[in-house]
Amino acid sequence: DGGITQSPKYLFRKEGQNVTLSCEQNLNHDAMYWYRQDPGQGLRLIYYSQIVNDFQKGDIAEGYSVSREKKESFPLTVTSAQKNPTAFYLCASSINDRVLGYTFGSGTRLTVV
Amino acid sequence: SQQGEEDPQALSIQEGENATMNCSYKTSINNLQWYRQNSGRGLVHLILIRSNEREKHSGRLRVTLDTSKKSSSLLITASRAADTASYFCATDGNRGETSGSRLTFGEGTQLTVNP
Repeated sequence: DGGITQSPKYLFRKEGQNVTLSCEQNLNHDAMYWYRQDPGQGLRLIYYSQIVNDFQKGDIAEGYSVSREKKESFPLTVTSAQKNPTAFYLCASSINDRVLGYTFGSGTRLTVV
Repeated sequence: SQQGEEDPQALSIQEGENATMNCSYKTSINNLQWYRQNSGRGLVHLILIRSNEREKHSGRLRVTLDTSKKSSSLLITASRAADTASYFCATDGNRGETSGSRLTFGEGTQLTVNP
């Protein structure tokens, strides 16, 4: 089955640590996105990539980094510079076509301990 | 920045009733989409309406779009307990880009359907 997979489902981070969230898709989608969702809130865009080896900052990129070395993969690193990282992180992908929607992964819940 | 704003923030109805959720946005758009999110899960795409369309149906879902008022509504008819979820509108703004899309999501409406 085609889909988008995020791992891990739950992640705990100590203060000052960097952690990397995985996002893999086998839909042959060109574009991939990372969103952050806080409790009871909507989604805010962190980074997005429309093509391999290229990505752009979203609305809240500070304290995060990404790479897009392969079409299938778009990992997100939450660095120690992100002061409030506890949130639900959602990865999505889409064909580069404005008339189609996004496919989302099932999310990673990150908690700082 | 949040482009869409849903109204109401929370809605509680009885099974069998209709549920209506509204979304307002600020800038011109290419299309508007509605998504559903079950608690602790990813979002699922429900329906997309283009800026030149006024109404669209999919099963028990009916979406309207009024570009003059910059607003959209999602109607779920004959609701079921399984419809309990958060519903988000998302807009694909007209940034003059020739390819790709970048959706901006509202804060969602939490719908509870009581059996």
